[in-house]
Amino acid sequence: TQLLEQSPQFLSIQEGENLTVYCNSSSVFSSLQWYRQEPGEGPVLLVTVVTGGEVKKLKRLTFQFGDARKDSSLHITAAQPGDTGLYLCAGALGRRGSTLGRLYFGRGTQLTVWP
Amino acid sequence: GAVVSQHPSRVICKSGTSVKIECRSLDFQATTMFWYRQFPKQSLMLMATSNEGSKATYEQGVEKDKFLINHASLTLSTLTVTSAHPEDSSFYICSARELREGRYEQYFGPGTRLTVT
Repeated sequence: TQLLEQSPQFLSIQEGENLTVYCNSSSVFSSLQWYRQEPGEGPVLLVTVVTGGEVKKLKRLTFQFGDARKDSSLHITAAQPGDTGLYLCAGALGRRGSTLGRLYFGRGTQLTVWP
Repeated sequence: GAVVSQHPSRVICKSGTSVKIECRSLDFQATTMFWYRQFPKQSLMLMATSNEGSKATYEQGVEKDKFLINHASLTLSTLTVTSAHPEDSSFYICSARELREGRYEQYFGPGTRLTVT
């Protein structure tokens, strides 16, 4: 079973639309990361959230960490073709605010934004 | 920012041969590196955790004698796929852990595409 359930698995939308990707778990994470990956390349870290209820913004991307630190969401406003890629959430168990060991990855969301 | 490199970026080898992939942290020291495998349009699957100066910790189902990991220095870990077979063809990605602002962050290499013919 997957420790982090990520949904949706695939998302195909038109330029200008909004979207939200969810990561849920029954486990409490000390931190959660969101990555974006393009074909043939390694994942690139977008953001790390560590505090329950935390909201971080990166231009048109808004990341939220659930109050109980069991879930997170990524919201993209006015999506653009350049947002196309595989979005991955990954959580770390362990001491609060510390990534002591391995990351547990969600299955990923393949986003395609059409012009 | 933290940069992790991998070499080679892609390699084609014949069945039965061995292939070595290098992972380097370029501007920081990493006592811990991770090796992942990824199939097309899928998430990353952790293969093993590589610790500098000690034996790697392998995930369940990963053959340690087939996927040899050596972390000889604080900036270099290597993954050797021994006696490669076509089913070993995949995208292999490493990551290195850096302590930043009191918290560890993981940074990923660009990946190595292995094709076994």
